[in-house]
Amino acid sequence: DSGVTQTPKHLITATGQRVTLRCSPRSGDLSVYWYQQSLDQGLQFLIQYYNGEERAKGNILERFSAQQFPDLHSELNLSSLELGDSALYFCASSVTGWTTRGTDTQYFGPGTRLTVL
Amino acid sequence: GESVGLHLPTLSVQEGDNSIINCAYSNSASDYFIWYKQESGKGPQFIIDIRSNMDKRQGQRVTVLLNKTVKHLSLQIAATQPGDSAVYFCAEGWKGNDKIIFGKGTRLHILP
Repeated sequence: DSGVTQTPKHLITATGQRVTLRCSPRSGDLSVYWYQQSLDQGLQFLIQYYNGEERAKGNILERFSAQQFPDLHSELNLSSLELGDSALYFCASSVTGWTTRGTDTQYFGPGTRLTVL
Repeated sequence: GESVGLHLPTLSVQEGDNSIINCAYSNSASDYFIWYKQESGKGPQFIIDIRSNMDKRQGQRVTVLLNKTVKHLSLQIAATQPGDSAVYFCAEGWKGNDKIIFGKGTRLHILP
């Protein structure tokens, strides 16, 4: 158990709908990352927050948005859903957010499986 | 559990043998590398990392080797066990870039 929690575990919805995925980081971690993992794909970085502010952005669609709240939990909002949005969505957290410097490690949650029908 | 990467390259290894998983990274400016393990139905789990000023680092039953000349990274697992069965991802990062870039992954299959 990494200490990162994600809800819900599974989500089934229809095209055109909007969903919200929730992530609680490990205690003491200030940074949260969101990733998308589709079949045949590796982990695609979406967005990173540090202490409530956006720090880095990856291949996140305009239909997707995220935020990090004062209690450090984060939500990923996916709207106007398409069949191709079906994927595993992972949240990770780290202490400082500077994982590219080799001084910090990302710990991943168990993921949310989104199925768009 | 969920099946990740149905069409990933697969390495089949006899239980008890050593496993070597290879990764070619893309950016010559990368100076930090990480290996993650993802078991079925779970999120990626950190295994070991290495900075570019090193060419070898050892952990418990695992060794990471870095060859910057040919931009190659490998993960060696000693005495492979059934619990090592998973998809293994290499990832790279570099100063000035806030993102860790993950590779496609390799599935390790343990033969009894």
